[in-house]
Amino acid sequence: QKEVEQNSGPLSVPEGAIASLNCTYSDRGSQSFFWYRQYSGKSPELIMSIYSNGDKEDGRFTAQLNKASQYVSLLIRDSQPSDSATYLCAVRWGLGSARQLTFGSGTQLTVLP
Amino acid sequence: DTAVSQTPKYLVTQMGNDKSIKCEQNLGHDTMYWYKQDSKKFLKIMFSYNNKELIINETVPNRFSPKSPDKAHLNLHINSLELGDSAVYFCASSPTADTQYFGPGTRLTVL
Repeated sequence: QKEVEQNSGPLSVPEGAIASLNCTYSDRGSQSFFWYRQYSGKSPELIMSIYSNGDKEDGRFTAQLNKASQYVSLLIRDSQPSDSATYLCAVRWGLGSARQLTFGSGTQLTVLP
Repeated sequence: DTAVSQTPKYLVTQMGNDKSIKCEQNLGHDTMYWYKQDSKKFLKIMFSYNNKELIINETVPNRFSPKSPDKAHLNLHINSLELGDSAVYFCASSPTADTQYFGPGTRLTVL
């Protein structure tokens, strides 16, 4: 059973602060990790992907991966009210056309103005 | 141009009815998926198709039957609807499974 766990929150941070979202996964062989953002009433959209241990930065977003600890995190710097959404961690597994994503249950983030 | 579209957006129906949800993508991707998102936001894969062929069929009641007439379309038919089927159903397409493009979702309410 491939499992992905996230703190469901809700997580509230003041505008301008750093929001830290965490995720753990069960399959030690997983190689690909993703963060999707889902605004209320909307569909998920990919915001970050990470494949190697360490940090990957994209604008105000930094994804961190530690395969030994089976841990993925997302940092949002200078948080804005527009960042308020549910953040879904996803892990890819399987081969070829049978590749699929397993999603965590999401962390709801609220950025307070 | 909408990349992944679903119809209908909302579906309200009585228990025991049969209903269908349609999905179309114009991205040229070979792989399409159906996901179910429950009230707690848990997004779970139901099926995937690659170029009209069923690839993934998770533990889903056989009341749910996907059909892919061509690689741009993936429909979902649900027989004998139950209260527990109430959820948001998302269609998605992907070139690689890594980046998945989701449709707007269909909110199904079973009364």
